[in-house]
Amino acid sequence: GNSVTQMEGPVTLSEEAFLTINCTYTATGYPSLFWYVQYPGEGLQLLLKATKADDKGSNKGFEATYRKETTSFHLEKGSVQVSDSAVYFCALRRSGSSNTGKLIFGQGTTLQVKP
Amino acid sequence: NAGVTQTPKFQVLKTGQSMTLQCAQDMNHEYMSWYRQDPGMGLRLIHYSVGAGITDQGEVPNGYNVSRSTTEDFPLRLLSAAPSQTSVYFCASRVSGDHGYTFGSGTRLTVV
Repeated sequence: GNSVTQMEGPVTLSEEAFLTINCTYTATGYPSLFWYVQYPGEGLQLLLKATKADDKGSNKGFEATYRKETTSFHLEKGSVQVSDSAVYFCALRRSGSSNTGKLIFGQGTTLQVKP
Repeated sequence: NAGVTQTPKFQVLKTGQSMTLQCAQDMNHEYMSWYRQDPGMGLRLIHYSVGAGITDQGEVPNGYNVSRSTTEDFPLRLLSAAPSQTSVYFCASRVSGDHGYTFGSGTRLTVV
């Protein structure tokens, strides 16, 4: 079936460190891929997306590239800030399901950035 | 433009009680969904709707009902609350096409 697997957290980094959060997926066809971020006490916000192979999504210094050959969509940021501390969710929307919009989420990765 | 509004933000229920979690969006989005968030499990889809009058089940629908009488509102009903339904519930909506969802701020439900 369709699934998303993220690296387990928490990930603890010092400010200005390089961030990678791994995400791999299992899906038939060509799903759309998303990263959402959840700040403490809030709902999820769309961070970035990619809809086809080799697309790169980017926003707020974060990037992720849709790699079909490795079925991955790893999240990266060159220099994290304390304000990036949050829970990050990788998600996919199956191809052919655009009429339903169902999202399948990974379990989430908590990022803690220390000053 | 308020986005997606969920009420209440917090609720404590006794086992067996029923209640409705409210969700409203003012963006004229066709698609709306309810998710529950549990530690270590990400978000799981309960029910979703592709437009007024159309709803369908997600992966964890048991114990929940929904209806979509208008484009704006998508309430989630707990028929007879159980401790296993203790969770944080998120409502989300989006327009058609390849867009991400807009999420509400959540309802934290505790069933004792």
